Amino acid sequence: AQSVTQLGSHVSVSEGALVLLRCNYSSSVPPYLFWYVQYPNQGLQLLLKYTTGATLVKGINGFEAEFKKSETSFHLTKPSAHMSDAAEYFCAVSESGGYNKLIFGAGTRLAVHP
Amino acid sequence: GAGVSQSPSNKVTEKGKDVELRCDPISGHTALYWYRQRLGQGLEFLIYFQGNSAPDKSGLPSDRFSAERTGESVSTLTIQRTQQEDSAVYLCASSRLAGPADTQYFGPGTRLTVL
Repeated sequence: AQSVTQLGSHVSVSEGALVLLRCNYSSSVPPYLFWYVQYPNQGLQLLLKYTTGATLVKGINGFEAEFKKSETSFHLTKPSAHMSDAAEYFCAVSESGGYNKLIFGAGTRLAVHP
Repeated sequence: GAGVSQSPSNKVTEKGKDVELRCDPISGHTALYWYRQRLGQGLEFLIYFQGNSAPDKSGLPSDRFSAERTGESVSTLTIQRTQQEDSAVYLCASSRLAGPADTQYFGPGTRLTVL
């Protein structure tokens, strides 16, 4: 069965510092991988997704993620945090060959302090 | 353009009452999904609709939960005889197609509180 593990329910960084949010997945078939962001009192918004091809995926707001099959990971990074990045981030996986039923991790709440 | 909308945004009900939640997907999107987000947890898949095909109800937690969708339009999620453990945010999403790589667009959710 598919599962997604996000290490660290809370991450705190200084403004301008590197953001690294970790995601590991398990899947018996090649996965499709997604990162969503949820700002306070708003719905989820897609940051980026990996389907096929290049393993380094660039998304909105300066975020990127790299699919590493050998490590079953899809960590999210941003070189320099901004105060507006404070939100909850969810990693999700769906399986090729099926429909888009997403399995989500528990989420990581990112705090950015001055 | 219009996104996914959900109503009501908040619902407070008493234990044992029935509730109905509504989702309006993006026009032209064939696939519609319901998820549940309990406090401090990730999203949990409930049900999926694709066109006129039979829905995938595999995520519904009990027979008190049901959902309907007419064609490619509005969907309603009904919870009968609500229990306190049903308290959560219920999120609806739609996608243009139903493939595993298609982006799902989420509504703002309905926050359900069962007293």
